[in-house]
Amino acid sequence: DAKTTQPNSMESNEEEPVHLPCNHSTISGTDYIHWYRQLPSQGPEYVIHGLTSNVNNRMASLAIAEDRKSSTLILHRATLRDAAVYYCILRGNNAGNMLTFGGGTRLMVKP
Amino acid sequence: GAVVSQHPSRVICKSGTSVKIECRSLDFQATTMFWYRQFPKQSLMLMATSNEGSKATYEQGVEKDKFLINHASLTLSTLTVTSAHPEDSSFYICSARDPRSSGNTIYFGEGSWLTVV
Repeated sequence: DAKTTQPNSMESNEEEPVHLPCNHSTISGTDYIHWYRQLPSQGPEYVIHGLTSNVNNRMASLAIAEDRKSSTLILHRATLRDAAVYYCILRGNNAGNMLTFGGGTRLMVKP
Repeated sequence: GAVVSQHPSRVICKSGTSVKIECRSLDFQATTMFWYRQFPKQSLMLMATSNEGSKATYEQGVEKDKFLINHASLTLSTLTVTSAHPEDSSFYICSARDPRSSGNTIYFGEGSWLTVV
């Protein structure tokens, strides 16, 4: 699986936007970019995924670079409940492809 | 999103006994489920891929005779930790692929805390 690189931790103020970066310079043409987050003592929660175009849903936006070698997860207004570890993961579209987790980014939200 | 549920959420068992954890996909049929283990302050580590109607595929270093996986139906996979020891105490998480979604999105259960005493 192609590797992703994320900062270990980031801080944000409540109600401000947060941009979580992810580098994936070895991404292949068929890899989807998936983002999950994990709150303490819970299973990971699906956030968003995309292939080439930017994506928006009720939780977040995903901005994908034109060369697909990096992407940014955007939380438009951080809340205290958004404090979690955010994982950026590449995954092929084959049914058997699993998710391989790296270290993720621990997001801390200050009131 | 799709719903994956695990049971029990917490279990304590005595050393040497076996414990079973269930993983269900509640609103879709999952031909493929994945089992992960997570130790405190660490990331998730894939243990095995569970395929409905066939044998599970285990990751290197995971003992298949110790961690028995059964995927008997399209909505249920079970992980049985046999002859549990204190070092097996961990957070076990299952996930299932939703075939209805673009990119074959994977959804996770709530996780199961296992404590072996």
